[in-house]
This record gives sequence, structure tokens and C-alpha cells, in this order.
Amino acid sequence: QQQVKQSPQSLIVQKGGISIINCAYENTAFDYFPWYQQFPGKGPALLIAIRPDVSEKKEGRFTISFNKSAKQFSLHIMDSQPGDSATYFCAAKVWGYQKVTFGTGTKLQVIP
Amino acid sequence: GAGVSQSPRYKVTKRGQDVTLRCDPISSHATLYWYQQALGQGPEFLTYFNYEAQPDKSGLPSDRFSAERPEGSISTLTIQRTEQRDSAMYRCASSLTFQETQYFGPGTRLLVL
Repeated sequence: QQQVKQSPQSLIVQKGGISIINCAYENTAFDYFPWYQQFPGKGPALLIAIRPDVSEKKEGRFTISFNKSAKQFSLHIMDSQPGDSATYFCAAKVWGYQKVTFGTGTKLQVIP
Repeated sequence: GAGVSQSPRYKVTKRGQDVTLRCDPISSHATLYWYQQALGQGPEFLTYFNYEAQPDKSGLPSDRFSAERPEGSISTLTIQRTEQRDSAMYRCASSLTFQETQYFGPGTRLLVL
């Protein structure tokens, strides 16, 4: 059962553009939503995370938007750079529990 | 160590053989996780340890899969009588406590022929 659905599967953006990745979840008990960035040959690394008590969180060029009623959240990468080219995973968990449920991943390519 | 390490990085085995994968977490990290990641998918939780205790085995696909962390540091994941459907990337992660950020290792890619 896929509890976190992620789209698109792949994304090509020009340098300087905005990359947008969307995720939707089913389990209303989820209350912590991290995003991971994975470069080839490496493991996923935490990029940014949000709790549902806020609708937006921004760290540098990365912003998470969260819509609790729609059970959706998205990652926006502003001024996308070739160095942002990686696979991005959204995820969800119940705070205080260990299990993290991942989305299927989005392969982002930023072209010069 | 500087990060989570896993060995081997690649493992090719024949169907029916047993394999053991190793994870060396960041020193002082109490919590260790094992994930299975199929091609084109996100990591799927298998099990986790708090020190040497293994409170949750719910993600292990079958009783052919087992994990140990006898001294609360290095962990092994063993798959007995491997099947072709076991082919995947197996990732280990560790965190200071279960509430903290998980740091992932580079993974072991397993291919069962």
C-alpha cells in the first residue's frame, strides 16, 4: 500500500527556473514531513522538513508548502542550479515513531 | 567514523544462497534502521534497533530475513535462501536517537541470479 504518492517521476528544468515536486499522503496520523535529496551513489540526505502546524517552511532556495486539508505537500526549488540535479524523495512519519514512509522519488535534472 | 558505512557495496549471489550485509553506523548513534529500496522506488522500512534491542520487525518481508545488532553498534542483515525478488538496494541509516535525523549509508546493491 503506497501511503505517500509523489509526482512527477522525472523533471527537467532550466537553470534559474523553479522546480516543483508534489506529494500526497493518506494517513492522517502523519505529522512530520521530511524531504530527502539523493545524489548518484549516495544515500538519501535530509534536505528540509515541516510539521503540519505551519503551511510553509523556507530554507534558502528550498521551500515546503503544506496543505493539511488536502493532505498534500510540495517542494519548491527556486533559482534551480545544475548542482541541484538529484533524486528527491518526500516522506512522512508519525512523530515519536521510527517508521518513515517514503514516496517513489523524483529525478530532477537542471540543464544549463 | 565520519558517516554510515555498508559492506559489501555490491553482492551477486545465486538463488538459494544465504547473504549477510553489514552496516557500521555513526559512532554514538543509538538507533539503526534497515531499508529495502527497489529500483525506481523509495526506501521501504524493514526494521530498526535501539542499541541492541529490536522493537520493530514489522517491515521484514518474510522469516528468511533477520537482523542483529548484538553489541549495539555494528548490525548485520541476513537473507536466507535468497530469491530473485530479493534483488534490491539495501540501505542502513542511523540516528542519535529515534527522534533525530536519520543518516543513510551508501547501500548494498544485491543481485540474486
